[in-house]
Amino acid sequence: GEEVAQTPKHLVRGEGQKAKLYCAPIKGHSYVFWYQQVLKNEFKFLISFQNENVFDETGMPKERFSAKCLPNSPCSLEIQATKLEDSAVYFCASSQSESRSTEAFFGQGTRLTVV
Amino acid sequence: AQSVTQPDIHITVSEGASLELRCNYSYGATPYLFWYVQSPGQGLQLLLKYFSGDTLVQGIKGFEAEFKRSQSSFNLRKPSVHWSDAAEYFCAVAAPYNTDKLIFGTGTRLQVFP
Repeated sequence: GEEVAQTPKHLVRGEGQKAKLYCAPIKGHSYVFWYQQVLKNEFKFLISFQNENVFDETGMPKERFSAKCLPNSPCSLEIQATKLEDSAVYFCASSQSESRSTEAFFGQGTRLTVV
Repeated sequence: AQSVTQPDIHITVSEGASLELRCNYSYGATPYLFWYVQSPGQGLQLLLKYFSGDTLVQGIKGFEAEFKRSQSSFNLRKPSVHWSDAAEYFCAVAAPYNTDKLIFGTGTRLQVFP
C-alpha cells in the first residue's frame, strides 16, 4: 500500500491482559520502526527492523514487550500482561532508504488504553 | 546525550499572522533535523528536514525552517498562518551515524484564531 496501515485504531485492555498491535509498512519499504507516545507528547523509540531482522531494540521494555516482522505478514508489537502505564499511542513508521528513519513515513497510530 | 527542547508548549496566533516555533537541540555535532506535524487523531507528517547544505529549508504547506549552528536551533516559520495549521508540531533529531532513532521534542501546540 501507499501508506503505513496500523490496526486496530483503538484497543482497550484490562490490566494484565495481552495486547497485540499490527503494522503494515508501505510496500517496498525494508525498515520498520515502533514509537510509543505517552502523556500525549513524549515519544519514545522502541524498536527498529530491517526486513524481518531486529536492528535496534534498545528502547524495548524486555520483560513484557516483543515485536516481529515476518515475511508476507504485518509487523506486530505485543505486550504481555499490560500495565496501566502502557496506555499510550503506538506509532509505526516505515522507510525504504538506507537512511532509515530519516525518510520514514508514520502510520496513524494505535491508541492503547489499559484499564 | 542527544536532546531536543521546544520551549513553547502552547502558541496562539491569529489567522494570517506570522509564526515561529522554536527548537533547540543538544548534540556534539550537527544532527539531522526534522519538523513533524500531528493533527488531532492523526499520525505524524513530515514538514521538512535538514541534513546539510543550505541552512534555510523549504517544506510543505508553506513552512520553512532555518538551521543556526551557533545557536543549536532549527526554528520553524510560516509567514501567514491558516486555520488548518492548528495542530501539534514536533521537532526531532537523528544522529547521522545512527538514523534508526528519532529523538523528539515535547511538541508545541498551535492554536489559530479566526
